[in-house]
Amino acid sequence: AQKVTQAQTEISVVEKEDVTLDCVYETRDTTYYLFWYKQPPSGELVFLIRRNSFDEQNEISGRYSWNFQKSTSSFNFTITASQVVDSAVYFCAPRLRDTGFQKLVFGTGTRLLVSP
Amino acid sequence: EAGVAQSPRYKIIEKRQSVAFWCNPISGHATLYWYQQILGQGPKLLIQFQNNGVVDDSQLPKDRFSAERLKGVDSTLKIQPAKLEDSAVYLCASSLIWGFNTGELFFGEGSRLTVL
Repeated sequence: AQKVTQAQTEISVVEKEDVTLDCVYETRDTTYYLFWYKQPPSGELVFLIRRNSFDEQNEISGRYSWNFQKSTSSFNFTITASQVVDSAVYFCAPRLRDTGFQKLVFGTGTRLLVSP
Repeated sequence: EAGVAQSPRYKIIEKRQSVAFWCNPISGHATLYWYQQILGQGPKLLIQFQNNGVVDDSQLPKDRFSAERLKGVDSTLKIQPAKLEDSAVYLCASSLIWGFNTGELFFGEGSRLTVL
């Protein structure tokens, strides 16, 4: 079975600090996609970013950036200059073959608290 | 554009009772998903439909859970009889298509079930 580990249960930062959320996963797949989702208090999961496993160039999109290392199966997500509205639970969700089917396998999430 | 609609938002039942949740996906989205999110965990896929056919129900407890998507639009998820461990938020999501590089799912706000 595939496994996704988000070791940080909760992170607290002060506004404008940078914060990195860690994600490590296990897979036997050679090619796959990886995603980060955000779940604000309203409960509705919101798609943030997607990247594939065969392009190791790291990217930046606005205040979001991500660091993918296939050799260590890690996909870390950074928010630059955090804002109070970034407070939410963040889920790493690689798309992996699990129980015979390709599906998003969610980690347990990291709760981010950004205080003014 | 209207998002994914779910109802009811909250439901409290006694164990061994039955419950049904309804989901209306975003118009034009062929793929519909039901996820179960237990408190403190990431969402777990229960069932995925492509139009009105089941793609993946490998993690659906079929002895008590059932789901249908008549006419390939809205869907219902039923639990009968409910157990205490079914207490969770049931999230419905939809996406345009299910392909290798997709993974941008649009989620509803969820239906929170409490089984007493």
